[in-house]
Order: sequence, then structure tokens, then C-alpha cells
Amino acid sequence: EAGVAQSPRYKIIEKRQSVAFWCNPISGHATLYWYQQILGQGPKLLIQFQNNGVVDDSQLPKDRFSAERLKGVDSTLKIQPAKLEDSAVYLCASSLARDYPYEQYFGPGTRLTVT
Amino acid sequence: AQKITQTQPGMFVQEKEAVTLDCTYDTSDQSYGLFWYKQPSSGEMIFLIYQGSYDEQNATEGRYSLNFQKARKSANLVISASQLGDSAMYFCAMRPPSNTGKLIFGQGTTLQVKP
Repeated sequence: EAGVAQSPRYKIIEKRQSVAFWCNPISGHATLYWYQQILGQGPKLLIQFQNNGVVDDSQLPKDRFSAERLKGVDSTLKIQPAKLEDSAVYLCASSLARDYPYEQYFGPGTRLTVT
Repeated sequence: AQKITQTQPGMFVQEKEAVTLDCTYDTSDQSYGLFWYKQPSSGEMIFLIYQGSYDEQNATEGRYSLNFQKARKSANLVISASQLGDSAMYFCAMRPPSNTGKLIFGQGTTLQVKP
């Protein structure tokens, strides 16, 4: 089966510009996660969707980050305006359900560089 | 608050030898899950192995085994018969008992397998 797809793979923008990332989860996966991975650190959860509803967005900087998952399938993550500290890899993951044994499958990530 | 600590930034191992990657965790919860993921240079996070806090036996998956010591709050990953393809970043993660499925990751350990 096809894995989690993400685009673009790389993006370079200047600070104060806006950017959007797209994620297409594995077909049938109800749960979708966006993680931020800063260089040298482990991923940190930004937001989690169950179908098209938000389950956890406690670590999402809501003054500049937004995310949506229309129709409970694809999702977009937006940053507006970007700051230098937003430079990171943004990973999307999906799972059939929230708990193990339904493991999370990760996409290849989008590497964002803010100059 | 839950926390995962990986104290080895980098490790080297000779091909065909075994290696242990350390992971300690901090939680006051009784029910939790522990995971190990592999992240090659391509960027995707690949699920390796899972251990539930109530599992009495250590988890094993092929060449991967998890040395679970609950009293010490450690969940070390053992890779037997290392292969060149095992060179990657390895992350330990914990799923707290909330039903969101959220993962909390450690800082990671870079493993290099020498021929």
C-alpha cells in the first residue's frame, strides 16, 4: 500500500513570509499527526486530528501556525508569518486508530529553511 | 511531566556485532507504551519495536529486542548482528496513558556501523 505522502520535500523562504505543507495519509487512516523536528532533536507533536476534528493542539503556536484536515483525509499545515526558529523538518504521520497496536506511519517530511 | 532521555548522541559498532542504545524515561503513570523508531538519512521514521508497561516479557522483533527494566525506568534497544544498513538515527518514544496516541520522543542517538 502507498505510504504517507508529503509535499513539498524542501522549502526555503524568508522570515515573515508564509508557507504551507501538504500531507496525504495512508488510505483509511483516521488519525493524522503533524510533528516538528528541529535539527538535533526528536520530533515534537504540533497537532493531532481524529478524522477532521482536532484532538490535541496544545503545542501548536496558534498565533502563526494553523492546520486543517478537510473531509478527514488530506491535511495542510500553514505558517504565517514564518520566523527563523521555524526552520525544521515537518513530519506527517497517520494511524488507523490512536492506540497501539495501531502504530504511526510517518511520511518523508518537509524540510523548511527560514532565512 | 513525561520525559524521554537518550544520553548517547553518537555510537559506533562494528558490523556483525551487537549494540545497545540507551533510553530512560520519566513518568508517574502506571500505564504507558514505549517505542523505538529508526530514522535513516531519507528522513522517514520507521517503527521498530513496542513495549507495553504491563508486558512482563521483553519485546523482540527480529534482530531488535527491548531490554525493559521498569524499576529503573529504562527501555534500551539491543540490535544484534549489526548491518551497514542499520546506520541511522534512533529515537526512543513514550506514549502516555491519555487516549490521544501522542508520542513523546527523546533526542535520538546516531548509530554508525563500521564495515
